[in-house]
Amino acid sequence: GDSVTQMEGPVTLSEEAFLTINCTYTATGYPSLFWYVQYPGEGLQLLLKATKADDKGSNKGFEATYRKETTSFHLEKGSVQVSDSAVYFCALKAGSYQLTFGKGTKLSVIP
Amino acid sequence: GAVVSQHPSRVICKSGTSVKIECRSLDFQATTMFWYRQFPKKSLMLMATSNEGSKATYEQGVEKDKFLINHASLTLSTLTVTSAHPEDSSFYICSARGGSGGQETQYFGPGTRLLVL
Repeated sequence: GDSVTQMEGPVTLSEEAFLTINCTYTATGYPSLFWYVQYPGEGLQLLLKATKADDKGSNKGFEATYRKETTSFHLEKGSVQVSDSAVYFCALKAGSYQLTFGKGTKLSVIP
Repeated sequence: GAVVSQHPSRVICKSGTSVKIECRSLDFQATTMFWYRQFPKKSLMLMATSNEGSKATYEQGVEKDKFLINHASLTLSTLTVTSAHPEDSSFYICSARGGSGGQETQYFGPGTRLLVL
């Protein structure tokens, strides 16, 4: 079945550091890929998405590129801020309307 | 952006009692709502999908008689955990899908922390 594997956290970075959160997937067909973010006390919010190979999703300085050859969708940001502290979920949707999530990676950014 | 609310945000109950969790889409109509369960350090597990006015579709392994879902209107879905036991303690998250014409987006509520003593 479909599955998403993302790096385990927590990840702690200093402000302005470079961020990478790895995500790989297994799916039949050609899934759409997503990154969701959950800030403390809030619901999951769509951060970015890509619907086909080589697409790059971007939002709020975050980027992720759909790599079909490596079945990956790694999340990157060049310079993190304290306000980026949250839990990040990688997810895929293949065919059906159901989202399949990774376990989430907690990011803490310290001043 | 669209907002989905959940109530209560946190609930503690005694074993054997039933607990109802509400999920509302505040500024859009949601024909489909989803209920997820999240264990510590685990991914979100889809429990069931409900469409307004019809019975919910439960995922394999989820007891429909234990987790009663009602989607009575386009803005409200409820999850009732019946005869709760300590193993039902978890974080429950609802999600509502809005939009149309292939542009549907799934919006998530903030979650409800259930602790069964």
